[in-house]
Amino acid sequence: EPEVTQTPSHQVTQMGQEVILRCVPISNHLYFYWYRQILGQKVEFLVSFYNNEISEKSEIFDDQFSVERPDGSNFTLKIRSTKLEDSAMYFCASSGQGRTEAFFGQGTRLTVV
Amino acid sequence: RKEVEQDPGPFNVPEGATVAFNCTYSNSASQSFFWYRQDCRKEPKLLMSVYSSGNEDGRFTAQLNRASQYISLLIRDSKLSDSATYLCVVNPSGTYKYIFGTGTRLKVLA
Repeated sequence: EPEVTQTPSHQVTQMGQEVILRCVPISNHLYFYWYRQILGQKVEFLVSFYNNEISEKSEIFDDQFSVERPDGSNFTLKIRSTKLEDSAMYFCASSGQGRTEAFFGQGTRLTVV
Repeated sequence: RKEVEQDPGPFNVPEGATVAFNCTYSNSASQSFFWYRQDCRKEPKLLMSVYSSGNEDGRFTAQLNRASQYISLLIRDSKLSDSATYLCVVNPSGTYKYIFGTGTRLKVLA
């Protein structure tokens, strides 16, 4: 069964450092997303990406965040200068044509120290 | 009003019980609706999409009431393995995002 895969599963970084979270969406999907979930809180939308550009972003997705699809399979989230409050689980998701359901990767747990 | 609202629970029910969760959404133009399940510290997993006519998948039944802007999930004959958080998810028309409720925690007791 096709699935979304994310690497790494856990990343620990020092405050102020840059991190890149990686995702391989389901191969025939066209829409890609990043979400985050702070421990004990709800899943929050960060950004959606379609046709090599950002479709929509939330107010959380400020200038320190960027997304890229560097090749035909990977989809990355970069956080330029991490803050303590960026510590969370980051989920990548993808969906197909139309308003179909989204499938989520297993997540990357980011810990900023 | 929150975009997607759920009772956080927890709902503690005995094995074999029937339990129902409701969810309300604020955007009347919302187009697609889903229930996901999330186990502790894991990713959301699709449980079922919710169609206008209502739909059933085994022990699970989902209903949509557009007039009242709510979605429901009914679980019959609860199993211990149903213990999880159930997330109501809405995709508003004209947007490229899925909006999550806070989730409802279910604990099925032996």
